[in-house]
Amino acid sequence: GENVEQHPSTLSVQEGDSAVIKCTYSDSASNYFPWYKQELGKRPQLIIDIRSNVGEKKDQRIAVTLNKTAKHFSLHITETQPEDSAVYFCAASMGTNAGKSTFGDGTTLTVKP
Amino acid sequence: SAVISQKPSRDICQRGTSLTIQCQVDSQVTMMFWYRQQPGQSLTLIATANQGSEATYESGFVIDKFPISRPNLTFSTLTVSNMSPEDSSIYLCSVVLGPNQPQHFGDGTRLSIL
Repeated sequence: GENVEQHPSTLSVQEGDSAVIKCTYSDSASNYFPWYKQELGKRPQLIIDIRSNVGEKKDQRIAVTLNKTAKHFSLHITETQPEDSAVYFCAASMGTNAGKSTFGDGTTLTVKP
Repeated sequence: SAVISQKPSRDICQRGTSLTIQCQVDSQVTMMFWYRQQPGQSLTLIATANQGSEATYESGFVIDKFPISRPNLTFSTLTVSNMSPEDSSIYLCSVVLGPNQPQHFGDGTRLSIL
């Protein structure tokens, strides 16, 4: 089955700096890659996603890049703010797999004011 | 989008008992899932809840321990049976509205076993 590895497990940055989280996946059939943010005590919520026909997607301060050949994708957060502090999960899924996702282990991001 | 109501939000249970968690969605959805999230850990898929048929369980999860019902396209239950302290975790239901679409999660049930 699919295996998703996520790095780093923890990341601490100064407010205003950029943060980058990287994930690799094993199954070349995966074609959908969402990123979720989970604040303490709350449910995971989608922040951005990318499909395999696209190499990059941006939404204000958040961007995701995908390299299908290398089977890795990354989350980039610019101009970080304290409210960006949370756990971030990457995931991979296949359209043929009835919506099932495999999640990375998560990255705890701390933005210091 | 989908609005998912999950209950109870939390419970403290005795070892050896069972608890049923309910998940209600505000629209009909085909794809509904149950996840477990142990403290400080990632999300692990327990099973896919199939309407009108038996759930599909992932490796390491069995029906006797985690029976699931899915009587219609808006509702599902997960029972955690014969609980032990190792079952202390957050259990989340989620739905997907179509292929290559994100998961929408309920608020989760925080379960503690004494």
